Amino acid sequence: EAQVTQNPRYLITVTGKKLTVTCSQNMNHEYMSWYRQDPGLGLRQIYYSMNVEVTDKGDVPEGYKVSRKEKRNFPLILESPSPNQTSLYFCASSPTGVNTEAFFGQGTRLTVV
Amino acid sequence: GDSVTQMEGPVTLSEEAFLTINCTYTATGYPSLFWYVQYPGEGLQLLLKATKADDKGSNKGFEATYRKETTSFHLEKGSVQVSDSAVYFCALGKIGGYQKVTFGTGTKLQVIP
Repeated sequence: EAQVTQNPRYLITVTGKKLTVTCSQNMNHEYMSWYRQDPGLGLRQIYYSMNVEVTDKGDVPEGYKVSRKEKRNFPLILESPSPNQTSLYFCASSPTGVNTEAFFGQGTRLTVV
Repeated sequence: GDSVTQMEGPVTLSEEAFLTINCTYTATGYPSLFWYVQYPGEGLQLLLKATKADDKGSNKGFEATYRKETTSFHLEKGSVQVSDSAVYFCALGKIGGYQKVTFGTGTKLQVIP
């Protein structure tokens, strides 16, 4: 089954403790991205990757890092989480090209206390 | 920059009522337009899309027409069901080598029996 898998689904952590949210897709898509969803703000793009070893900042990259060492994986790293990073996070993938659909993971709800 | 504005919710309707969720956009060039749906506890799924002016996207009884003259992409359904209760996101995608998607803030729809 074609899917985007995120882990964990729920995470509660303390300020400053490094964490990684994993994302994996089995569709051989070139393009992957991370979004955060906050009430009243919709989804905002954090980082994206056009292919292996090619990443770039989205609209709200501060406090986040990503890596793309393999085509299928695109982890999101919070080196020193802060309470303002409490949010619902989504990973998405799509093939490159014009007007292609994005496929989303089920989301990771992160709480930083 | 690019932006999407959609009507604020929540929208509460009785089963079999007519649904309209308004969406307008600002973008340079010729974006593609999308409606995504998010059911409780799940990620986003593409509901329908339109890639050029006057195109009509349709799926599961939902429709939206790409109106360049009014920069709008309103979502409509003739008869909603309880199972349509979800959050609906209007989005635009820039034509190019990858999918850069800008989302609206989302409109929550609740359909009551």
